[in-house]
Amino acid sequence: DAGITQSPRHKVTETGTPVTLRCHQTENHRYMYWYRQDPGHGLRLIHYSYGVKDTDKGEVSDGYSVSRSKTEDFLLTLESATSSQTSVYFCAISDYGTGGVTDTQYFGPGTRLTVL
Amino acid sequence: KQEVTQIPAALSVPEGENLVLNCSFTDSAIYNLQWFRQDPGKGLTSLLLIQSSQREQTSGRLNASLDKSSGRSTLYIAASQPGDSATYLCAADSNSGYALNFGKGTSLLVTP
Repeated sequence: DAGITQSPRHKVTETGTPVTLRCHQTENHRYMYWYRQDPGHGLRLIHYSYGVKDTDKGEVSDGYSVSRSKTEDFLLTLESATSSQTSVYFCAISDYGTGGVTDTQYFGPGTRLTVL
Repeated sequence: KQEVTQIPAALSVPEGENLVLNCSFTDSAIYNLQWFRQDPGKGLTSLLLIQSSQREQTSGRLNASLDKSSGRSTLYIAASQPGDSATYLCAADSNSGYALNFGKGTSLLVTP
């Protein structure tokens, strides 16, 4: 298994509070991603990073920010959590593949977030 | 935007059967297509990655094919076992080559 950990694994918080989720990798992969998984919607990309301090928005980025100050860590912040952000959050990593594009994505175990 | 569809949404087969899971995507300008397995309450496990220049990949009892021109991929599972019961997800990237766009999955149940 790829060395990816997510913390916390479970969190319950209240509407309006800030929340930060952490993804840590030991594979030295360049690319890191945050997805959310919801019933009926499947997995959707929130933000991704293609290097230290290099990030970009995904399909559902509103209400989320990210930071990557080191290769191994990618943080996802909900500035003011809302009930619609109740979800399971997955971090993924990938590295260079052939042809200059990314290779296999490996996923972390997920964080279950409940916003009351 | 890349749209990925998986059919059927659910499938139940007796142990030992060979089966095919289908995946279609709308934008044929992909770099990679990946198949994953997800067990209930767990993360995603990568099964196979097919690059756009390839037509198929094999791993053990699994074989995935890719037809870019028709926007289709199939995952073939040979001699199914109860341990194969899980949700299988197909994901295709876009021409950015970074993010994956996921289908909603096929929930597979293999009965003894």
